[in-house]
Amino acid sequence: EVQLVESGGGLVQPGGSLRLSCAASGFSFSNYWMHWVRQAPGEGLVWVARITHDGSGANYADSVNGRFIISRDNAKNTLYLQMNSLTVEDTALYYCAGVPVTWFDPWGQGTLVTVSS
Amino acid sequence: QSALTQPASVSGSPGQSITISCTGTSSDIGGYNYVSWYQQHPGKAPKLMIYDVSNRPSGVSIRFSGSKSGNTASLIISGLQAEDEADYYCSSFTSSHTYVFGTGTKVTVL
Repeated sequence: EVQLVESGGGLVQPGGSLRLSCAASGFSFSNYWMHWVRQAPGEGLVWVARITHDGSGANYADSVNGRFIISRDNAKNTLYLQMNSLTVEDTALYYCAGVPVTWFDPWGQGTLVTVSS
Repeated sequence: QSALTQPASVSGSPGQSITISCTGTSSDIGGYNYVSWYQQHPGKAPKLMIYDVSNRPSGVSIRFSGSKSGNTASLIISGLQAEDEADYYCSSFTSSHTYVFGTGTKVTVL
């Protein structure tokens, strides 16, 4: 069964840091470019970041560039998102998603990040 | 990286056809045939419905179809059913080598 399972979300104070993980199984993880997409409560989907299949390159949305770092460990079939200098605007459900070519599939169920004092 | 523009809501009666538009620019939708569509039911993860403008993944109903003209893509749902009631999002690759999603459309089956 193809599966992505996110973890690491939680409550953090403004200015704090958090590291999200996404464990993949059931598909060839090392062949997929991987992405993070977030969704604030009651809002739409927003693309956050992506990393190449071998981890050699990454791109970020302007809103997180310089604060977030996407990485992966293909030996562990795991994707990461290191989030620093968090603000209340970063509060959202964070999804990881695989992109085999140009579309997002599969998706995880998401992990909730709440930034609040 | 402005979001692609979708209507906030679209409604239709069972059996009818509806169209959801997704408008971008020449730097995203107009520049690439890399538009995809996602269905999201409340509390659930998004589900791929259409990829590369008009291709339907295995397992997705033939009632769902997609097209593109210039900077605007469209998702057509024919033979509307109660189970189609959900939020729908478009997405496109961009000239910045990033992706952008649409603002989302809530589909209501009357």
